[in-house]
Amino acid sequence: KAGVTQTPRYLIKTRGQQVTLSCSPISGHRSVSWYQQTPGQGLQFLFEYFSETQRNKGNFPGRFSGRQFSNSRSEMNVSTLELGDSALYLCASRTGELGNEQFFGPGTRLTVL
Amino acid sequence: GENVEQHPSTLSVQEGDSAVIKCTYSDSASNYFPWYKQELGKRPQLIIDIRSNVGEKKDQRIAVTLNKTAKHFSLHITETQPEDSAVYFCAASINSRNQFYFGTGTSLTVIP
Repeated sequence: KAGVTQTPRYLIKTRGQQVTLSCSPISGHRSVSWYQQTPGQGLQFLFEYFSETQRNKGNFPGRFSGRQFSNSRSEMNVSTLELGDSALYLCASRTGELGNEQFFGPGTRLTVL
Repeated sequence: GENVEQHPSTLSVQEGDSAVIKCTYSDSASNYFPWYKQELGKRPQLIIDIRSNVGEKKDQRIAVTLNKTAKHFSLHITETQPEDSAVYFCAASINSRNQFYFGTGTSLTVIP
């Protein structure tokens, strides 16, 4: 089975711009979660999508949004970028059943200048 | 919500020694506790997990223990090797909420 994939792998943007990141889960997985990883902060949960519906949301401002398509692929959008948004954005997929293991993608490294 | 604390933030051990990383959680409803290893520039990979109905789990040189009463769980790595050098993250999950809460990570360095 192919693993979780994320595109693009690297992005450089300037303050005020917006960005869209994409995540393709493992085939058959219906749950996709997004995390922001920064040095010293670990992995901060952004949101989780299951069957095209946002099921959980972390404590991030409304500039961070996402969606999931019928094929379980998910996108994350960040509007009005700030310098502090520079981070590694990881998505993780799992079957969606309670307590199942999640598998991470390689991440998208976003740099905001 | 759940709060997971992880200690230490950095750990250096000599090759062959043991390494122990500890995490505490706040919500007694948490019932699934995975540990992830993240090598430099790579994605986090699950190395071991434990559920709340089990007190200890072992997989070769890696073991995890869980104390539900004290709300803490630990990762034990024995006979450490240089390839064990990485950042390790603990996490806690409450099944009913389908959400994972992560510790801030421990950077382990194994000195040859």
